[in-house]
Amino acid sequence: NAGVTQTPKFRILKIGQSMTLQCTQDMNHNYMYWYRQDPGMGLKLIYYSVGAGITDKGEVPNGYNVSRSTTEDFPLRLELAAPSQTSVYFCASSSQTGGSGYTFGSGTRLTVV
Amino acid sequence: DQQVKQNSPSLSVQEGRISILNCDYTNSMFDYFLWYKKYPAEGPTFLISISSIKDKNEDGRFTVFLNKSAKHLSLHIVPSQPGDSAVYFCAASQLNTDKLIFGTGTRLQVFP
Repeated sequence: NAGVTQTPKFRILKIGQSMTLQCTQDMNHNYMYWYRQDPGMGLKLIYYSVGAGITDKGEVPNGYNVSRSTTEDFPLRLELAAPSQTSVYFCASSSQTGGSGYTFGSGTRLTVV
Repeated sequence: DQQVKQNSPSLSVQEGRISILNCDYTNSMFDYFLWYKKYPAEGPTFLISISSIKDKNEDGRFTVFLNKSAKHLSLHIVPSQPGDSAVYFCAASQLNTDKLIFGTGTRLQVFP
């Protein structure tokens, strides 16, 4: 069972470059999320989606964009990377509302230099 | 404004003893609370949850207690094992949303 798959696992970007973090889930979950984890700061919600074609902003959306063209995929786009975007990024999915447990991917560690 | 707070960044416990991890929240609209466990270089994994209509939920060695009047929950691990060494995140959600708000985490170390 693959669950939630994130690629790449590591990436170094230069300031001003762009990249897409990929996230795919094979559990047919409607809900998908992108979080970032900064040291000592817990996980902050960037964007989320309640189904294909529907996305919405979380707590820290600035500098990011998302799309949800299929149930399986939820890529996160960074435009004009900045050092403040150095973080570990986690994608997650869930099947229903009500605080059901999320399934997380293993994360992408991004460094912007 | 941090709606979910874990005030202890770290905890060290001897193997076989009880580990108690604490979490406080400020939003009285939260109605579901969860604990996640995270090992280095891995994503968080769901551990145990509790609805606001309950005050206790048990799953094997793990028990979560909820005190709504104090806006406080705790995770008890008994007995603690070295494999429990990880970062534990408390999270909360509000009715009719599926957005989890996470605390900052507590690093638990269980030593022999």
